[in-house]
Amino acid sequence: KAGVTQTPRYLIKTRGQQVTLSCSPISGHRSVSWYQQTPGQGLQFLFEYFSETQRNKGNFPGRFSGRQFSNSRSEMNVSTLELGDSALYLCASGSSGGATDTQYFGPGTRLTVL
Amino acid sequence: AQKVTQAQTEISVVEKEDVTLDCVYETRDTTYYLFWYKQPPSGELVFLIRRNSFDEQNEISGRYSWNFQKSTSSFNFTITASQVVDSAVYFCALSETPFTGGGNKLTFGTGTQLKVEL
Repeated sequence: KAGVTQTPRYLIKTRGQQVTLSCSPISGHRSVSWYQQTPGQGLQFLFEYFSETQRNKGNFPGRFSGRQFSNSRSEMNVSTLELGDSALYLCASGSSGGATDTQYFGPGTRLTVL
Repeated sequence: AQKVTQAQTEISVVEKEDVTLDCVYETRDTTYYLFWYKQPPSGELVFLIRRNSFDEQNEISGRYSWNFQKSTSSFNFTITASQVVDSAVYFCALSETPFTGGGNKLTFGTGTQLKVEL
């Protein structure tokens, strides 16, 4: 069974630009979560989608948004990039997204904002 | 609010030594799940174990073992006879389910960098 895939793996942008990251969950999984990992803040939850609906959102500004498609693939968008947005963005998939679920992570997209 | 504390920032051991990674958590939930993930230099978080709050049995999987103690809110991870390939950052995490809307989010500790040297 293929794992979680994320594209692109690496991205370099400049301040003010916007970026879209993509995540394809494990086949059959309907829940997709996004996390941001930085040296200073560690791993922080961004949001979670299940069946195209955002069910849970972390404490991030509105510049961070996401969506999920009918095939469970998810995209995350960051607008008006700031230097502090440089991070590893990890996507996780789960079958149901409930507390009993195990989340399996992809390799991440490393975003550098110059 | 939920919180996970991994007080050990970095641990260095020599190969074949045993090493224990500490994890202390805080939650008001009576039902919750604890996880350990491994993050090698490649960056991907690799799932190691999940434990629910009602199951305090220790678990062993090969060289890995986990000790869950609700009385001290701890979920410690021991690697026996460590190997160089065990070098990675290890994260302890706690699941949280909102009261409404369902869904799940993980609260992570800050991670422990384990270095195993020859």
